[in-house]
Amino acid sequence: DGGITQSPKYLFRKEGQNVTLSCEQNLNHDAMYWYRQDPGQGLRLIYYSQIVNDFQKGDIAEGYSVSREKKESFPLTVTSAQKNPTAFYLCASQQDRPNNSPLHFGNGTRLTVT
Amino acid sequence: AQSVTQLGSHVSVSEGALVLLRCNYSSSVPPYLFWYVQYPNQGLQLLLKYTTGATLVKGINGFEAEFKKSETSFHLTKPSAHMSDAAEYFCAVSSLRGSYIPTFGRGTSLIVHP
Repeated sequence: DGGITQSPKYLFRKEGQNVTLSCEQNLNHDAMYWYRQDPGQGLRLIYYSQIVNDFQKGDIAEGYSVSREKKESFPLTVTSAQKNPTAFYLCASQQDRPNNSPLHFGNGTRLTVT
Repeated sequence: AQSVTQLGSHVSVSEGALVLLRCNYSSSVPPYLFWYVQYPNQGLQLLLKYTTGATLVKGINGFEAEFKKSETSFHLTKPSAHMSDAAEYFCAVSSLRGSYIPTFGRGTSLIVHP
């Protein structure tokens, strides 16, 4: 079955460590997104990529980095510069055309930093 | 710019009662509108979407939504709530002004009482 796989489901890290969240899709979608979800704040866009080797900052990119070396993969690194990294992280993909295509989401990674 | 407002962070209904979740959007150009559902510790799933054409849109699990341009609204309804409808619901908008990058509301948690 086609879909999006995020791993791991739960991740625990010490403060000051960088951590990378994996996101892989086999839907052949061009666009991929990373959102952060906090209680009562909905989904906030961190980074997005509409084509391989290109990505754009979203609304809350500070303290995060991404790469898009392959169409199928869009890993997110949470750096030590992110002041409040504990959150639920969601990866999504989207067909580039038509423009009204919905997002397809993975099941998320819950990151806890202590 | 585009934005979404979901009125009510929590909505509580009895099983069998009408479900009404409110969504108002702001967009200076014709929008595409979406409703997604999220069950605990999972990603979001598409319930329904409005692109063009018929303003009453039917989705999965008996949900429907009506696009009202004059009211800039896209409220989600279901005639009779089921216990399995308990979840978080997100309204989202995308448009040319936002480069078709979806913007999400803060979400509404639907609680269903027996």
